[in-house]
Amino acid sequence: GAGVSQSPRYKVAKRGQDVALRCDPISGHVSLFWYQQALGQGPEFLTYFQNEAQLDKSGLPSDRFFAERPEGSVSTLKIQRTQQEDSAVYLCASSRPTGPEQYFGPGTRLTVT
Amino acid sequence: GQNIDQPTEMTATEGAIVQINCTYQTSGFNGLFWYQQHAGEAPTFLSYNVLDGLEEKGRFSSFLSRSKGYSYLLLKELQMKDSASYLCAVGTGANNLFFGTGTRLTVIP
Repeated sequence: GAGVSQSPRYKVAKRGQDVALRCDPISGHVSLFWYQQALGQGPEFLTYFQNEAQLDKSGLPSDRFFAERPEGSVSTLKIQRTQQEDSAVYLCASSRPTGPEQYFGPGTRLTVT
Repeated sequence: GQNIDQPTEMTATEGAIVQINCTYQTSGFNGLFWYQQHAGEAPTFLSYNVLDGLEEKGRFSSFLSRSKGYSYLLLKELQMKDSASYLCAVGTGANNLFFGTGTRLTVIP
């Protein structure tokens, strides 16, 4: 499997629970992005890593959202005290150093009840 | 503010040609991207324009006019499998993409 992988594919959380979403980028891709996609909308940027450095987190909607990539490969997006408005598909993407296109994973569909 | 406009829905006939338009106003510009997204799946990269003009790739072509803030995606010889959402996105800032809401294309026999 040479593509971006994400786990879990589906997550149901009760309001107030914490969740952790994992992304495995394509090997060798130094840039990693997280997006949030609501139903019927385009993806919205959340945060960007270059290797282990989080260079842009301007899209994170609140301080309940936290992302990390400690070793510059796998990344985790954590959402604390989930709310119903957090229900969405969370997409991870990675890109090569030499090209602008981003390659997306299948996403994690989060449903907060 | 930033804004991308594209039609919400389009319908076209199998074998025909369809043009999906996109206009944008963004605070930065590092290129114009088109992605295809089938329902419940990840967006798939289709094309990238950073200079004005037409880029052709098989049945798909993409055009950009930076002075007009305008792009289009042209799909030729439509196939049923082309039924999907087509997302216009602008590269802004360092590397992130600003997406439109997408155009849902339905191809009918």
